[in-house]
Amino acid sequence: GAVVSQHPSWVICKSGTSVKIECRSLDFQATTMFWYRQFPKQSLMLMATSNEGSKATYEQGVEKDKFLINHASLTLSTLTVTSAHPEDSSFYICSARESAGKETQYFGPGTRLLVL
Amino acid sequence: GESVGLHLPTLSVQEGDNSIINCAYSNSASDYFIWYKQESGKGPQFIIDIRSNMDKRQGQRVTVLLNKTVKHLSLQIAATQPGDSAVYFCAENRGSNYKLTFGKGTLLTVNP
Repeated sequence: GAVVSQHPSWVICKSGTSVKIECRSLDFQATTMFWYRQFPKQSLMLMATSNEGSKATYEQGVEKDKFLINHASLTLSTLTVTSAHPEDSSFYICSARESAGKETQYFGPGTRLLVL
Repeated sequence: GESVGLHLPTLSVQEGDNSIINCAYSNSASDYFIWYKQESGKGPQFIIDIRSNMDKRQGQRVTVLLNKTVKHLSLQIAATQPGDSAVYFCAENRGSNYKLTFGKGTLLTVNP
C-alpha cells in the first residue's frame, strides 16, 4: 500500500517551453501533497504544499507563477514548470500524505527534468 | 537558522557489520522524526519513524534512537547488506502543517 507515482519519469525540453509533471497516489486518498526539488548530491528542498481544492502554499523563494501547482482531486497533483530554463533542470519529487491525522509522507519516484 | 544536520556525510562499512547513521537537529519543538533511504535516481523510501514521546523504536533490522536532551537522532542498521547502500536522510516535522525539513544526507557504502 501507500504507492505514489509520477509521470513522466524523465523529460528533456527546450528552453522557454512548459513542462507538466503529474503526481498520483495510487491506493490512498492524499489530503496533502508536497513538491520538492533536489539538485545532485544535495538534500530535498520543499517547494510547495498542495491541498486538494485549495491554492498551494509556496516556500520562501519559490516563484508561484513559474511553478504552477494544481491539486484537482484527492489522488492527483500536477506541477507545471512554465517557461523552463536550464537552471530549472533538477530532480522533482512529490510526496503524499494520507487523510487527516496521519503524518507519514510517501514519496514518488521522482521526475528528472533537463532543460536545453 | 534552525535545521536538521548530519555528523557524517559518508559511511563505509563491511557487509555484515552494523551501521550507525547520525543526525542532529536544532529545533526542540520538533515532535516527529523520520528516516528515509534514497537510492540513486529514485525517490526517498520510508524506513522508520519516531515520535518525540519515545526514545527508541525498532523495525526489521533497523532501530531509531532519539535523544531529546542533546537533540540527536540515529539510525542503526543491523547486519548491513549491499542492498543497504544508499543515501540516508533524516527529516523532522514540527507543528500541524506536516511539512518536513530534511537533513543533508549520509551516503552509506557497503563493501562486500
